Amino acid sequence: DQQVKQNSPSLSVQEGRISILNCDYTNSMFDYFLWYKKYPAEGPTFLISISSIKDKNEDGRFTVFLNKSAKHLSLHIVPSQPGDSAVYFCAAGAAGTALIFGKGTTLSVSS
Amino acid sequence: DTGVSQNPRHKITKRGQNVTFRCDPISEHNRLYWYRQTLGQGPEFLTYFQNEAQLEKSRLLSDRFSAERPKGSFSTLEIQRTEQGDSAMYLCASSLGEFEAFFGQGTRLTVV
Repeated sequence: DQQVKQNSPSLSVQEGRISILNCDYTNSMFDYFLWYKKYPAEGPTFLISISSIKDKNEDGRFTVFLNKSAKHLSLHIVPSQPGDSAVYFCAAGAAGTALIFGKGTTLSVSS
Repeated sequence: DTGVSQNPRHKITKRGQNVTFRCDPISEHNRLYWYRQTLGQGPEFLTYFQNEAQLEKSRLLSDRFSAERPKGSFSTLEIQRTEQGDSAMYLCASSLGEFEAFFGQGTRLTVV
């Protein structure tokens, strides 16, 4: 039973346009959410997080939106750059537990 | 370098052998996690420690797997009698309390 789902395995975007990566979760006990970026042969790198008490968090080109009623979050990257090409993982956690990850979405940004 | 450090980066072993991986977390972080990642999957939780106490173990962690974190510092993950299905990237992460977990570069295990 997958508690964190990333239903799009891949996404292709042109440089300068917006990338929107989506994530759904099933466990209403999750109270914080994170996005990680991963290059081949490296560990995931933390990008941005959001607490369940917020609905938006912004950091430079990256914005995460949380819709608790829909159990949905999204990561917006504007403008997208070729260096953003990587696998993006959504993760969710609750107090006292470890993070649960989705399967990832591979983003390809073409110049 | 003050990040999470994992050793070795790569390990090739014969089926049936035992292997041990080491993780050195960020020094002030009290939580340490082990995850496993296979191709096309996200990191799958194995176990985590708060200081030296092992608080949670996944059902993925069979009795051939054991993890320790003596004195709440570095951690080791041992796999006994390795099987081909154990081939994966083993990731270690650390965090300060409930906050963001920072990952090491991982140990790539290949069982032949």
